[in-house]
Amino acid sequence: DVKVTQSSRYLVKRTGEKVFLECVQDMDHENMFWYRQDPGLGLRLIYFSYDVKMKEKGDIPEGYSVSREKKERFSLILESASTNQTSMYLCASSLSRDRGQFFGPGTRLTVL
Amino acid sequence: QKEVEQNSGPLSVPEGAIASLNCTYSDRGSQSFFWYRQYSGKSPELIMSIYSNGDKEDGRFTAQLNKASQYVSLLIRDSQPSDSATYLCAVIVLGAGGFKTIFGAGTRLFVKA
Repeated sequence: DVKVTQSSRYLVKRTGEKVFLECVQDMDHENMFWYRQDPGLGLRLIYFSYDVKMKEKGDIPEGYSVSREKKERFSLILESASTNQTSMYLCASSLSRDRGQFFGPGTRLTVL
Repeated sequence: QKEVEQNSGPLSVPEGAIASLNCTYSDRGSQSFFWYRQYSGKSPELIMSIYSNGDKEDGRFTAQLNKASQYVSLLIRDSQPSDSATYLCAVIVLGAGGFKTIFGAGTRLFVKA
């Protein structure tokens, strides 16, 4: 089975802090994704990566950056956290971009 | 018009009944179609993939795809209370930037014991 893990289930940060969310997958998948999910807004794509050191902006990249130095690891960075970034963050991976995605357990981030 | 539309529900069915979840999509060039199940407070889980017209069965789940009518559905036979969740439909389209997955907002299913 594909396993996608995320570094934290719950995280509380202060406004202005730099926040790192890490995601690791163990199935040698090419593609990795970061989403946020908010009530009434559904899943929104922040960034994705289709190869090591490659990244593409999703629908809502503002305020975020990403890093993919190794194939199995994809990090989401909030350079200066703000309260409107309080959300559930979900990482996913897929074998190819035309295949289904496997999600990690999610990180519920609260920015105070 | 939303690219992937689902009735938000809640859809309420009695235990043992067939639950029918529907999804329509706007892009005729859509390539691949998926159903995800998401329990409250949890992350989405891929439960069905379908790539060609017709039915695909996996246990109590059947996915149905009709590209001419641009809809995909999920049938859950012998519904159980443990099936109570939000079901997300997802469609992959090929655009200028390559493949893109578009998720619907989800349908909440409630199975009454």
